[in-house]
Amino acid sequence: TAGITQAPTSQILAAGRSMTLRCTQDMRHNAMYWYRQDLGLGLRLIHYSNTAGTTGKGEVPDGYSVSRANTDDFPLTLASAVPSQTSVYFCASSDSATGGRGYTFGSGTRLTVV
Amino acid sequence: QKEVEQDPGPLSVPEGAIVSLNCTYSNSAFQYFMWYRQYSRKGPELLMYTYSSGNKEDGRFTAQVDKSSKYISLFIRDSQPSDSATYLCAMSGSTSGTYKYIFGTGTRLKVLA
Repeated sequence: TAGITQAPTSQILAAGRSMTLRCTQDMRHNAMYWYRQDLGLGLRLIHYSNTAGTTGKGEVPDGYSVSRANTDDFPLTLASAVPSQTSVYFCASSDSATGGRGYTFGSGTRLTVV
Repeated sequence: QKEVEQDPGPLSVPEGAIVSLNCTYSNSAFQYFMWYRQYSRKGPELLMYTYSSGNKEDGRFTAQVDKSSKYISLFIRDSQPSDSATYLCAMSGSTSGTYKYIFGTGTRLKVLA
């Protein structure tokens, strides 16, 4: 089934440790996004990439970094995790920068920082 | 004031009812309007997208956009227990040459059998 694959599904991480959340898509979409979803706050954009080789900061980028070496992969790295990064993380993609035809989302990574 | 406002619910309706879900927004630059459905512990799934004002129908779902009032709606006819989920509105548009994409916080819907 075409779509977005995220890994791991869930993780418990000690504060101060680093971690990379993986995201791979097979739809050849140019634009990719990382969101975090927290109760009462909804989906907040962390970083985005409009095309391979470019990235940009979203609403809540601090403590996170991304890279976009090719069209398919868009990993998200937490360099030194803190408890406030406990959240559900979703990777998404779209076929245009406008997102006018909607986003395709992955199934999410549930991260707990202790 | 948030750019997009959406009542969190929960909204409980009996099976077979017509459901109306709504969002209001403040940025007149928004041109594209989307509705997503999110089941518990799953990622959001795109239901419908529309451009500018008007209606769009897809099966039991109808999306309606009123740009003059900055108000969008999703109607679900003959609601089923399987429609129980959180529904997120989203919208995008260009501000100073950069596209902005905003999600509502979601309305939780429960359809009772």
